[in-house]
Amino acid sequence: EAQVTQNPRYLITVTGKKLTVTCSQNMNHEYMSWYRQDPGLGLRQIYYSMNVEVTDKGDVPEGYKVSRKEKRNFPLILESPSPNQTSLYFCASSMGQGGYEQYFGPGTRLTVT
Amino acid sequence: AQSVTQPDIHITVSEGASLELRCNYSYGATPYLFWYVQSPGQGLQLLLKYFSGDTLVQGIKGFEAEFKRSQSSFNLRKPSVHWSDAAEYFCAVVLVGNTGFQKLVFGTGTRLLVSP
Repeated sequence: EAQVTQNPRYLITVTGKKLTVTCSQNMNHEYMSWYRQDPGLGLRQIYYSMNVEVTDKGDVPEGYKVSRKEKRNFPLILESPSPNQTSLYFCASSMGQGGYEQYFGPGTRLTVT
Repeated sequence: AQSVTQPDIHITVSEGASLELRCNYSYGATPYLFWYVQSPGQGLQLLLKYFSGDTLVQGIKGFEAEFKRSQSSFNLRKPSVHWSDAAEYFCAVVLVGNTGFQKLVFGTGTRLLVSP
């Protein structure tokens, strides 16, 4: 089944404790992206990647890091989480040029206390 | 700047009644437009998309949307709503760059409530 998977689905952590949210897709998509969803703000892009080793900032990149060492994986790293990063996070992927539909993972709900 | 506006934060519709969710976009070039649905606790599912051609597009679950360039709108419709349609709906436009860069710009969403 074609899908985007994220882990963990739920995470409660404390301020400053580094964490990684994994994202993997099995559709051989070139483009991957991370979004955060907050009430009243819709979804905002954090980082994106057009291909392996090619990443760039989205609209709200502060406090986040990403890497794209393999085509299928695009982990989101919070080096020192803060309470304002409490949010619902989505990973998405698409074919890339000529294929603009983005397919979303199930989401990761992160709470930072 | 490119933007998507969904003017209705909440809409309540009786089961069996028709539905129209509004979406307006601001984008200079020909837009690529999408509607996504998010059920409680779920990810986003693509309902339908418009790239070019026929301005009335059909999607899954009985939804359709009409692209109106003159009004910069892409409203979502369904002739008869079912209780399972209760969810949050997002309109989005994709920005595409020459290098292959692409970004979805989302509206803030419309929460649909379905009354018995």
